[in-house]
Amino acid sequence: DQQVKQNSPSLSVQEGRISILNCDYTNSMFDYFLWYKKYPAEGPTFLISISSIKDKNEDGRFTVFLNKSAKHLSLHIVPSQPGDSAVYFCAASVTQETSGSRLTFGEGTQLTVNP
Amino acid sequence: KAGVTQTPRYLIKTRGQQVTLSCSPISGHRSVSWYQQTPGQGLQFLFEYFSETQRNKGNFPGRFSGRQFSNSRSEMNVSTLELGDSALYLCASSNGPGTEAFFGQGTRLTVV
Repeated sequence: DQQVKQNSPSLSVQEGRISILNCDYTNSMFDYFLWYKKYPAEGPTFLISISSIKDKNEDGRFTVFLNKSAKHLSLHIVPSQPGDSAVYFCAASVTQETSGSRLTFGEGTQLTVNP
Repeated sequence: KAGVTQTPRYLIKTRGQQVTLSCSPISGHRSVSWYQQTPGQGLQFLFEYFSETQRNKGNFPGRFSGRQFSNSRSEMNVSTLELGDSALYLCASSNGPGTEAFFGQGTRLTVV
């Protein structure tokens, strides 16, 4: 079953506005979450992460919000730039030594930022 | 600091052959994970190695195997290739659970 879901396959925003990408998860054991940006035929680029002990983490234009009770996280990009156009993946993991560093990915959201 | 390096970048193989892909993690990282990306299945976890031991394995057939060396470099092997093995194979390195994982550029494998 799909434990991490990104329900919006695509999102289009205007340059300078806010982009909000959403992600839901079902496994309550997940306690560490990451967002990646990806171009075709390249590896994902790490953007930002958040531990379940926090509900917000900010890094420059990127902010990730975590709502544990709703099992929902979102990535905010402000302001959006044309260079942000890519596929965005959320990923989740369980931070136990026995679980290792296994990441479970969502299906991805194609973000297009229009000039 | 050098990033994650995967070789080769592109491969074309024939059905029934075997292939070996290589990954050099970021210096100091002891965890190496492998993922397969296909259009239909998205990014799927293959396995993870930590200090030369396989710590976790995804839901892939036994034709997919890997190993890690004492310098943390890792290889994955796919035997008896099938057309459906055509995919982008990605390697990620990290310092372990709960830390950021960084990916290489990937190896694009095409099976004909």
